[in-house]
Amino acid sequence: DAGVIQSPRHEVTEMGQEVTLRCKPISGHDYLFWYRQTMMRGLELLIYFNNNVPIDDSGMPEDRFSAKMPNASFSTLKIQPSEPRDSAVYFCASVRGAGANVLTFGAGSRLTVL
Amino acid sequence: TQLLEQSPQFLSIQEGENLTVYCNSSSVFSSLQWYRQEPGEGPVLLVTVVTGGEVKKLKRLTFQFGDARKDSSLHITAAQTGDTGLYLCAGGSGGYQKVTFGTGTKLQVIP
Repeated sequence: DAGVIQSPRHEVTEMGQEVTLRCKPISGHDYLFWYRQTMMRGLELLIYFNNNVPIDDSGMPEDRFSAKMPNASFSTLKIQPSEPRDSAVYFCASVRGAGANVLTFGAGSRLTVL
Repeated sequence: TQLLEQSPQFLSIQEGENLTVYCNSSSVFSSLQWYRQEPGEGPVLLVTVVTGGEVKKLKRLTFQFGDARKDSSLHITAAQTGDTGLYLCAGGSGGYQKVTFGTGTKLQVIP
């Protein structure tokens, strides 16, 4: 298995632009998570899906952030409009089954908003 | 909100030394994991502990879950340069697939 695949690996954009981050989870995994990592706040859960349905989005910072999972093999995290404080590494992770709590992470997307 | 505090935040040691990293919370977790993250990569799972008092060994790494399932420790014996990285503990609660990550310990092992 290729693991969790994220794209792009690096994104540099200007304030106000729309940013879309993409994730392909491991086949057969029914839970998908989006995390954000910064030096100041560490690794924070933004949102997670179960069987493509958003279950908990309480970690999404504000309305500028949205996430979708149109099918079992694809998810997007969108920021519109982006701001410099959104600069971070965004990770996608997936897991199969309830109760396991063992996440497989992608390599991350490093976002820099100028 | 469940918080996991790790200590120390940073650690720089010589190759061959021993070290212990701590993960503490006021909350009870049903399971606790330790991950290692290398620069430019996502965290990779090292171990999961689920029983209070449980001790697991992974070569030179020893993991312990506190009796009350609120804390954990990671001990590394004879550290090697390959152990360098960010160590994260993560607590799982109930039936939810929602994991709380600790603040992290950045370890540097100097040759």
